[in-house]
Amino acid sequence: NAGVTQTPKFQVLKTGQSMTLQCAQDMNHNSMYWYRQDPGMGLRLIYYSASEGTTDKGEVPNGYNVSRLNKREFSLRLESAAPSQTSVYFCASSELTGPYGYTFGSGTRLTVV
Amino acid sequence: QKEVEQNSGPLSVPEGAIASLNCTYSDRGSQSFFWYRQYSGKSPELIMSIYSNGDKEDGRFTAQLNKASQYVSLLIRDSQPSDSATYLCAVSNDYKLSFGAGTTVTVRA
Repeated sequence: NAGVTQTPKFQVLKTGQSMTLQCAQDMNHNSMYWYRQDPGMGLRLIYYSASEGTTDKGEVPNGYNVSRLNKREFSLRLESAAPSQTSVYFCASSELTGPYGYTFGSGTRLTVV
Repeated sequence: QKEVEQNSGPLSVPEGAIASLNCTYSDRGSQSFFWYRQYSGKSPELIMSIYSNGDKEDGRFTAQLNKASQYVSLLIRDSQPSDSATYLCAVSNDYKLSFGAGTTVTVRA
């Protein structure tokens, strides 16, 4: 019963480096999301994919790109990491496109120095 | 104005008491509302969903929704130390959820 799996769990990057955060779900969900969580600011949506083949910007997309590789996988890429991207990143999925609750992955704690 | 507002707390309640958490939202078109619990260092976990005005009960949790006032609340009855966590209010907006910053609850023995 894996649910939503994120890798890696922890990562330290130097400013300017790039990396990809991986997310996979095994629940046959249509919609997938990437959020970042910062102290006092709650969860903020970076990008989402309402269904396979589509992606859209969320509230804070600058500095990020995404790929919906197939129905199961949704990756988040930082092309040139900045200290402002230090955060905890959560991937989530939802069964249907629309107002349903999410299932979250365990998160990636990213530090950019 | 943030889309979803919560009191940040911390909210401290004695064991066995009722914890009351409040949330207001700005989009009158929102149709679905959720409460998530997040333990320190862990991911959010869905505990309640509510879609229509009134109360919805699930065990020791009761969610209350008033769309006219754009207000949703969560009551935790018979609070236990294991309820100590941050509670996130989430409101639907098209295909995605907007989250409040969370209310931290501490249940003291």
